[in-house]
Amino acid sequence: GDSVTQMEGPVTLSEEAFLTINCTYTATGYPSLFWYVQYPGEGLQLLLKATKADDKGSNKGFEATYRKETTSFHLEKGSVQVSDSAVYFCALSDLNTDKLIFGTGTRLQVFP
Amino acid sequence: DSGVTQTPKHLITATGQRVTLRCSPRSGDLSVYWYQQSLDQGLQFLIQYYNGEERAKGNILERFSAQQFPDLHSELNLSSLELGDSALYFCASSVRPQNTEAFFGQGTRLTVV
Repeated sequence: GDSVTQMEGPVTLSEEAFLTINCTYTATGYPSLFWYVQYPGEGLQLLLKATKADDKGSNKGFEATYRKETTSFHLEKGSVQVSDSAVYFCALSDLNTDKLIFGTGTRLQVFP
Repeated sequence: DSGVTQTPKHLITATGQRVTLRCSPRSGDLSVYWYQQSLDQGLQFLIQYYNGEERAKGNILERFSAQQFPDLHSELNLSSLELGDSALYFCASSVRPQNTEAFFGQGTRLTVV
């Protein structure tokens, strides 16, 4: 079945460092891809999405490009802030299954 | 604020008991999803309803059941609770049955003692 694999955390960075969180997927068909973020004590919030190959999703300085050839959707940010500390989830949605399938989440810790 | 409301926020109950978690979707959203988040299992899809009908089923135990009412709110019923059912339970909603973009509530933290 469909699945999402994320790099394990925690990822620990200093403020203003470059961030990459790797995400690869396995799916039949052409899923939409998402990054969700979960701040401490809160629910998941949609961070960005891409619905077809080569689409780039972006929001709040974060970017991810839908790469069909490598089945990847890596999350990047050029300069992280302490306020970016959270758990980041990569997910896919297949139009045939009506389910959002999540990766295991990657905890990001940013220190001043 | 996502617009999805879950109650209660916290619930502590004993093994063997039954609880009901409630979810009010965003205004206009017809689709409701339930997820379980635990430390060892990550975020697991349980079940989806669309406009009152069950649409998709995931890793939901037979002791668990759900329904979506005519006013579109949904309830997740958990019975014969076990220690291992302790988790965060999230509800999410979207406009269409296909989960192209879902909005999550803040979750109900269930602790079974």
